[in-house]
Amino acid sequence: DQQVKQNSPSLSVQEGRISILNCDYTNSMFDYFLWYKKYPAEGPTFLISISSIKDKNEDGRFTVFLNKSAKHLSLHIVPSQPGDSAVYFCAASASGGTSYGKLTFGQGTILTVHP
Amino acid sequence: GAVVSQHPSWVICKSGTSVKIECRSLDFQATTMFWYRQFPKQSLMLMATSNEGSKATYEQGVEKDKFLINHASLTLSTLTVTSAHPEDSSFYICSAMRQVSYNEQFFGPGTRLTVL
Repeated sequence: DQQVKQNSPSLSVQEGRISILNCDYTNSMFDYFLWYKKYPAEGPTFLISISSIKDKNEDGRFTVFLNKSAKHLSLHIVPSQPGDSAVYFCAASASGGTSYGKLTFGQGTILTVHP
Repeated sequence: GAVVSQHPSWVICKSGTSVKIECRSLDFQATTMFWYRQFPKQSLMLMATSNEGSKATYEQGVEKDKFLINHASLTLSTLTVTSAHPEDSSFYICSAMRQVSYNEQFFGPGTRLTVL
């Protein structure tokens, strides 16, 4: 039962253009969402997060949008740079009680930004 | 950001042996550490939550006698895969929380386990 899904295994974008990575979830208890970036042989590094009380969070070139009714979130990277090429993981959590900190991950999307 | 290390980075062992993987927070004390497992081209699956000085909490379907977790200090958690079999071959990755904040959870580089 995959509660967090990233349906696009890969995405290829030209440098300078927008990259849009999508993520869907099924568990209504999820109330906190995060995006991580992962390079080969390294652990995921935190990029940006959003709480369910918001529908948008922005940090520099990165913006995360949350559509709770559709149980969908997306990560926008503008403008995309070759250094953004990596695997991007969407993660979700139900922050209440003993679940705090526990993350449910999507399968990841490989982003390739071409010069 | 804070640094989390794992040792070893890769290990090959024979079926039936036990393997210990260490997870260390190098420059901070971790209130909580988590252990994940990742199969090829799949997501990271949470195995257990580890708090210093108390028993680990395992996720449904994870055998606690198979995957022994010890959280001896605020900077070290170990995962021991006991009596390993080829189906235990996987990528094991830990994370550590510096504070009680999602944005303060840092991941180690992972350990590749291959059981022959």
